[in-house]
Amino acid sequence: DIQMTQSPSTLSASVGDRVTITCRASQSISSWLAWYQQKPGKAPKLLIYKASTLESGVPSRFSGSGSGTEFTLTISSLQPDDLATYHCQQYKTAPWTFGQGTKVEIK
Amino acid sequence: EVQLVESGGGLVQPGQSLRLSCTASGYTFGDYAVSWFRQAPGKGLEWVSFIRSKIYGGTTEYAASVKGRFTISKDESKNTAYLQMNSLKTEDTAVYYCTRVCGPGSGTCYNDYWGQGTLVTVSS
Repeated sequence: DIQMTQSPSTLSASVGDRVTITCRASQSISSWLAWYQQKPGKAPKLLIYKASTLESGVPSRFSGSGSGTEFTLTISSLQPDDLATYHCQQYKTAPWTFGQGTKVEIK
Repeated sequence: EVQLVESGGGLVQPGQSLRLSCTASGYTFGDYAVSWFRQAPGKGLEWVSFIRSKIYGGTTEYAASVKGRFTISKDESKNTAYLQMNSLKTEDTAVYYCTRVCGPGSGTCYNDYWGQGTLVTVSS
Protein backbone atom coordinates (compact mmCIF):
# COMPACT_ATOMS: atom_id res chain seq x y z
CA ASP A 1 0.00 0.00 0.00
CA ILE A 2 1.10 3.58 -0.63
CA GLN A 3 1.60 5.45 2.65
CA MET A 4 0.77 9.15 2.75
CA THR A 5 2.32 11.39 5.40
CA GLN A 6 1.11 14.91 6.05
CA SER A 7 2.78 17.65 8.07
CA PRO A 8 2.16 19.40 10.28
CA SER A 9 -0.69 17.65 12.11
CA THR A 10 -1.96 20.97 13.42
CA LEU A 11 -1.14 24.54 12.57
CA SER A 12 -2.31 27.81 14.00
CA ALA A 13 -2.10 30.96 11.89
CA SER A 14 -3.56 34.44 11.70
CA VAL A 15 -6.01 35.76 9.17
CA GLY A 16 -4.06 36.90 6.12
CA ASP A 17 -1.13 34.53 6.72
CA ARG A 18 0.26 32.27 4.00
CA VAL A 19 -0.16 28.65 5.04
CA THR A 20 1.58 25.59 3.59
CA ILE A 21 0.77 21.92 4.21
CA THR A 22 3.02 19.14 2.99
CA CYS A 23 2.08 15.64 1.89
CA ARG A 24 4.61 12.91 1.10
CA ALA A 25 3.95 9.60 -0.62
CA SER A 26 5.94 6.45 0.13
CA GLN A 27 6.42 5.90 -3.61
CA SER A 28 5.88 7.93 -6.73
CA ILE A 29 2.26 8.70 -7.50
CA SER A 30 3.02 11.00 -10.45
CA SER A 31 0.39 13.76 -10.07
CA TRP A 32 -2.45 11.52 -8.87
CA LEU A 33 -3.08 13.49 -5.72
CA ALA A 34 -6.18 15.22 -4.39
CA TRP A 35 -6.71 17.63 -1.50
CA TYR A 36 -9.94 17.76 0.47
CA GLN A 37 -11.20 20.26 3.03
CA GLN A 38 -13.30 18.95 5.91
CA LYS A 39 -15.04 21.46 8.15
CA PRO A 40 -16.08 20.35 11.65
CA GLY A 41 -19.00 17.91 11.52
CA LYS A 42 -19.16 17.99 7.73
CA ALA A 43 -18.21 15.76 4.82
CA PRO A 44 -14.94 16.30 2.97
CA LYS A 45 -15.06 18.62 -0.02
CA LEU A 46 -12.75 18.37 -3.04
CA LEU A 47 -10.39 21.34 -3.37
CA ILE A 48 -7.68 20.23 -5.78
CA TYR A 49 -7.07 17.22 -8.04
CA LYS A 50 -4.21 16.07 -10.19
CA ALA A 51 -1.95 17.78 -7.65
CA SER A 52 -2.56 21.32 -8.90
CA THR A 53 -5.94 21.63 -10.64
CA LEU A 54 -8.39 23.74 -8.67
CA GLU A 55 -11.90 22.29 -8.49
CA SER A 56 -14.58 24.58 -9.89
CA GLY A 57 -15.87 27.07 -7.34
CA VAL A 58 -12.88 26.78 -4.99
CA PRO A 59 -11.36 30.18 -4.08
CA SER A 60 -8.16 31.04 -5.89
CA ARG A 61 -6.28 31.51 -2.59
CA PHE A 62 -5.94 27.71 -2.57
CA SER A 63 -3.23 26.19 -4.74
CA GLY A 64 -1.46 22.86 -5.02
CA SER A 65 1.91 21.83 -6.36
CA GLY A 66 4.26 18.88 -6.57
CA SER A 67 4.68 15.57 -8.32
CA GLY A 68 6.25 12.21 -7.63
CA THR A 69 6.40 11.90 -3.86
CA GLU A 70 6.22 15.44 -2.50
CA PHE A 71 3.24 17.76 -2.64
CA THR A 72 2.08 20.99 -1.04
CA LEU A 73 -1.22 22.73 -0.46
CA THR A 74 -0.94 26.48 -0.02
CA ILE A 75 -3.49 28.96 1.23
CA SER A 76 -2.15 32.33 0.10
CA SER A 77 -4.13 34.45 2.57
CA LEU A 78 -5.85 32.55 5.37
CA GLN A 79 -9.50 33.42 5.93
CA PRO A 80 -11.76 32.63 8.93
CA ASP A 81 -13.80 30.29 6.69
CA ASP A 82 -10.68 28.14 6.15
CA LEU A 83 -10.92 26.67 9.66
CA ALA A 84 -10.93 22.97 8.78
CA THR A 85 -8.94 19.78 8.52
CA TYR A 86 -7.18 19.23 5.20
CA HIS A 87 -6.58 15.75 3.82
CA CYS A 88 -4.38 14.61 0.95
CA GLN A 89 -5.26 11.42 -0.94
CA GLN A 90 -3.43 9.41 -3.55
CA TYR A 91 -5.61 7.89 -6.24
CA LYS A 92 -2.92 6.26 -8.34
CA THR A 93 -3.45 2.77 -6.97
CA ALA A 94 -5.95 0.93 -4.80
CA PRO A 95 -6.15 0.91 -1.86
CA TRP A 96 -6.62 4.65 -2.16
CA THR A 97 -4.97 6.16 0.90
CA PHE A 98 -5.01 9.42 2.81
CA GLY A 99 -2.65 11.40 4.94
CA GLN A 100 -3.60 11.68 8.59
CA GLY A 101 -4.96 15.20 8.11
CA THR A 102 -3.82 18.71 9.03
CA LYS A 103 -6.04 20.74 11.33
CA VAL A 104 -5.85 24.46 10.58
CA GLU A 105 -6.74 26.77 13.45
CA ILE A 106 -7.16 30.52 13.34
CA LYS A 107 -5.17 32.48 15.93
CA GLU B 1 -26.87 19.93 -8.62
CA VAL B 2 -25.13 16.67 -7.77
CA GLN B 3 -26.30 15.19 -4.46
CA LEU B 4 -25.55 11.96 -2.64
CA VAL B 5 -27.62 10.99 0.39
CA GLU B 6 -26.64 8.11 2.63
CA SER B 7 -29.00 6.25 4.92
CA GLY B 8 -29.17 3.05 6.92
CA GLY B 9 -26.70 3.74 9.70
CA GLY B 10 -27.42 2.91 13.31
CA LEU B 11 -26.40 0.99 16.39
CA VAL B 12 -25.78 -2.73 16.04
CA GLN B 13 -24.09 -5.40 18.11
CA PRO B 14 -20.85 -7.09 17.06
CA GLY B 15 -21.49 -9.89 14.56
CA GLN B 16 -24.66 -8.30 13.22
CA SER B 17 -25.33 -6.89 9.75
CA LEU B 18 -26.36 -3.53 8.32
CA ARG B 19 -27.03 -2.26 4.81
CA LEU B 20 -26.20 1.30 3.89
CA SER B 21 -27.81 3.05 0.93
CA CYS B 22 -26.56 5.97 -1.12
CA THR B 23 -29.10 7.67 -3.37
CA ALA B 24 -27.73 9.94 -6.06
CA SER B 25 -29.32 12.77 -8.01
CA GLY B 26 -28.31 15.54 -10.37
CA TYR B 27 -26.28 13.40 -12.81
CA THR B 28 -26.44 10.21 -14.86
CA PHE B 29 -25.75 7.68 -12.11
CA GLY B 30 -24.72 4.88 -14.44
CA ASP B 31 -21.92 6.89 -16.04
CA TYR B 32 -19.85 7.10 -12.86
CA ALA B 33 -18.21 4.75 -10.39
CA VAL B 34 -19.00 4.95 -6.67
CA SER B 35 -16.77 4.60 -3.65
CA TRP B 36 -17.47 4.25 0.06
CA PHE B 37 -15.16 5.74 2.66
CA ARG B 38 -15.33 5.82 6.43
CA GLN B 39 -14.01 7.93 9.27
CA ALA B 40 -13.78 6.54 12.79
CA PRO B 41 -14.43 9.06 15.59
CA GLY B 42 -11.54 11.52 15.78
CA LYS B 43 -9.60 9.65 13.08
CA GLY B 44 -8.64 10.10 9.45
CA LEU B 45 -10.35 8.97 6.27
CA GLU B 46 -10.22 5.36 5.12
CA TRP B 47 -11.30 3.99 1.74
CA VAL B 48 -13.65 1.00 2.09
CA SER B 49 -14.99 -0.11 -1.29
CA PHE B 50 -15.44 0.84 -4.96
CA ILE B 51 -17.69 -0.22 -7.81
CA ARG B 52 -17.11 0.58 -11.47
CA SER B 53 -19.85 1.58 -13.84
CA LYS B 54 -21.61 -1.09 -15.87
CA ILE B 55 -19.63 -0.13 -18.97
CA TYR B 56 -16.54 -1.36 -17.12
CA GLY B 57 -18.26 -4.49 -15.89
CA GLY B 58 -19.45 -3.14 -12.55
CA THR B 59 -16.41 -4.76 -10.98
CA THR B 60 -15.59 -4.11 -7.36
CA GLU B 61 -12.64 -3.48 -5.05
CA TYR B 62 -12.39 -3.74 -1.28
CA ALA B 63 -10.04 -2.64 1.45
CA ALA B 64 -8.31 -5.57 3.14
CA SER B 65 -10.00 -4.69 6.44
CA VAL B 66 -13.50 -5.38 5.05
CA LYS B 67 -12.90 -7.91 2.25
CA GLY B 68 -15.10 -10.95 2.70
CA ARG B 69 -17.45 -9.12 5.09
CA PHE B 70 -18.70 -6.13 3.06
CA THR B 71 -20.35 -6.17 -0.36
CA ILE B 72 -20.85 -3.14 -2.58
CA SER B 73 -23.55 -3.07 -5.24
CA LYS B 74 -25.68 -0.64 -7.14
CA ASP B 75 -29.11 -0.47 -8.70
CA GLU B 76 -29.03 1.95 -11.61
CA SER B 77 -32.83 1.90 -11.94
CA LYS B 78 -32.99 3.43 -8.46
CA ASN B 79 -29.88 5.63 -8.72
CA THR B 80 -28.73 3.93 -5.54
CA ALA B 81 -25.56 2.26 -4.35
CA TYR B 82 -25.44 -0.08 -1.39
CA LEU B 83 -22.91 -1.31 1.13
CA GLN B 84 -23.93 -4.57 2.76
CA MET B 85 -21.92 -4.97 5.97
CA ASN B 86 -21.86 -8.39 7.63
CA SER B 87 -20.03 -9.73 10.68
CA LEU B 88 -19.59 -6.21 11.99
CA LYS B 89 -16.80 -5.51 14.47
CA THR B 90 -16.39 -2.72 17.00
CA GLU B 91 -13.59 -1.33 14.82
CA ASP B 92 -16.11 -0.76 12.01
CA THR B 93 -17.63 2.06 14.06
CA ALA B 94 -17.40 5.16 11.88
CA VAL B 95 -19.21 7.69 9.77
CA TYR B 96 -19.61 6.15 6.32
CA TYR B 97 -19.53 8.39 3.25
CA CYS B 98 -20.44 7.50 -0.29
CA THR B 99 -18.76 9.42 -3.08
CA ARG B 100 -19.05 9.90 -6.80
CA VAL B 101 -15.83 8.94 -8.54
CA CYS B 102 -14.89 11.40 -11.28
CA GLY B 103 -15.29 8.84 -14.09
CA PRO B 104 -16.67 5.38 -14.90
CA GLY B 105 -13.86 3.59 -13.11
CA SER B 106 -11.54 2.94 -16.02
CA GLY B 107 -8.50 4.49 -14.45
CA THR B 108 -7.16 6.95 -11.96
CA CYS B 109 -9.89 9.16 -10.62
CA TYR B 110 -10.58 11.26 -7.57
CA ASN B 111 -13.83 11.65 -5.61
CA ASP B 112 -15.57 14.82 -6.66
CA TYR B 113 -18.81 14.66 -4.64
CA TRP B 114 -19.42 13.31 -1.13
CA GLY B 115 -22.59 12.55 0.74
CA GLN B 116 -23.20 13.91 4.23
CA GLY B 117 -22.37 10.58 5.85
CA THR B 118 -24.21 8.09 8.03
CA LEU B 119 -23.01 6.92 11.43
CA VAL B 120 -22.54 3.23 12.12
CA THR B 121 -21.93 2.25 15.74
CA VAL B 122 -20.97 -1.33 16.57
CA SER B 123 -21.20 -1.94 20.28
CA SER B 124 -22.52 -4.49 22.75
